[in-house]
Amino acid sequence: DAKTTQPTSMDCAEGRAANLPCNHSTISGNEYVYWYRQIHSQGPQYIIHGLKNNETNEMASLIITEDRKSSTLILPHATLRDTAVYYCIVHRNFGNEKLTFGTGTRLTIIP
Amino acid sequence: ETGVTQTPRHLVMGMTNKKSLKCEQHLGHNAMYWYKQSAKKPLELMFVYNFKEQTENNSVPSRFSPECPNSSHLFLHLHTLQPEDSALYLCASKGQGGWSSYNEQFFGPGTRLTVL
Repeated sequence: DAKTTQPTSMDCAEGRAANLPCNHSTISGNEYVYWYRQIHSQGPQYIIHGLKNNETNEMASLIITEDRKSSTLILPHATLRDTAVYYCIVHRNFGNEKLTFGTGTRLTIIP
Repeated sequence: ETGVTQTPRHLVMGMTNKKSLKCEQHLGHNAMYWYKQSAKKPLELMFVYNFKEQTENNSVPSRFSPECPNSSHLFLHLHTLQPEDSALYLCASKGQGGWSSYNEQFFGPGTRLTVL
């Protein structure tokens, strides 16, 4: 699976949009971009995934660049409960089932 | 609540003890996973089970012994652990689908293990 690069930490004001970037310049054509988050001392939680089109669900939006070498997770109206470590993972949907977690971005929502 | 439960939530054990961690899911999933998360380190995959068969052992020491008696239950048997094995142990499950189905894993809350 391709590797990803994320900033170590970010802050965002409560109520503002949180934009979390991820670089995955070696992504291959059959790899999806997944985002998970882990709130302190809990198990990771799936947020969203996409292949090449932008995606939106009740939690977040995912913007993938046209060349697919980077993406941005957007939390439209961040709340204090969104404080967590956010992981960007690229992964095929078949074959090897492993999700490889990096160190992620520690997002802190500031009141 | 993700539908994946883990017991116990906290465990303290000595190096000579034998204990077991339990994971349970009733989501109808056929794949189950054990992960280890040490302080300030990324999650590390330990074991993968698909349809009760172990399909991956990520070079885990033999003092960790997994067991998957059925698709709903996964155990991690522990014996003669070391203090450096202290970590958060996470279980996850995933449904099976066609090649294009997405890869959402559902994680339990984890067991915080301390080895003295």
